[in-house]
Amino acid sequence: SQKIEQNSEALNIQEGKTATLTCNYTNYSPAYLQWYRQDPGRGPVFLLLIRENEKEKRKERLKVTFDTTLKQSLFHITASQPADSATYLCALTPQSNFGNEKLTFGTGTRLTIIP
Amino acid sequence: GAGVSQSPRYKVAKRGQDVALRCDPISGHVSLFWYQQALGQGPEFLTYFQNEAQLDKSGLPSDRFFAERPEGSVSTLKIQRTQQEDSAVYLCASSRGGLGNEQYFGPGTRLTVT
Repeated sequence: SQKIEQNSEALNIQEGKTATLTCNYTNYSPAYLQWYRQDPGRGPVFLLLIRENEKEKRKERLKVTFDTTLKQSLFHITASQPADSATYLCALTPQSNFGNEKLTFGTGTRLTIIP
Repeated sequence: GAGVSQSPRYKVAKRGQDVALRCDPISGHVSLFWYQQALGQGPEFLTYFQNEAQLDKSGLPSDRFFAERPEGSVSTLKIQRTQQEDSAVYLCASSRGGLGNEQYFGPGTRLTVT
């Protein structure tokens, strides 16, 4: 069956260190993989998108990698700050969607940056 | 500009009542999505519109769930004869349309069925 797994439910990182979150998928061939941030009581907010033919994408302190052989995406936040504390969701659009834009989300990782 | 808005933000319904949840997408956005999010889980797809056409309703859990977007802008998700298992946050998102475009989410409606 198709599955998207994010490495852990919760991750605690010391301020200033790099936080690395993992998204693994099985039985999908993603055309696109996106990362969203969700704060309590709010809807997800888009952060980065990476295409199947891209290995890496960066935006300020954020970096996403995509390994279609390992079926894995890594999401890095460098120089982490307490304000980065949130739940991070990966979401993919399978190639088989044939133009359907719906996203399939992972369960999320709750990241806490400790001052 | 204004983002996606949803109303009401909170809804308490007695089991068996009908509810209607409203979504106002970003003006000009072609695509509109409804997702259901249980506590501690990621959002799960319910249904998807491109303009007024409902292109995919495969995620609607039962025939008690119905969504419409009659003029290609505002959308309503209706749940008839609510059950306790319908308790969740219902998220609406919109996008410019086309694969790979980011989705802009509203704050969600938290539905509690008692």
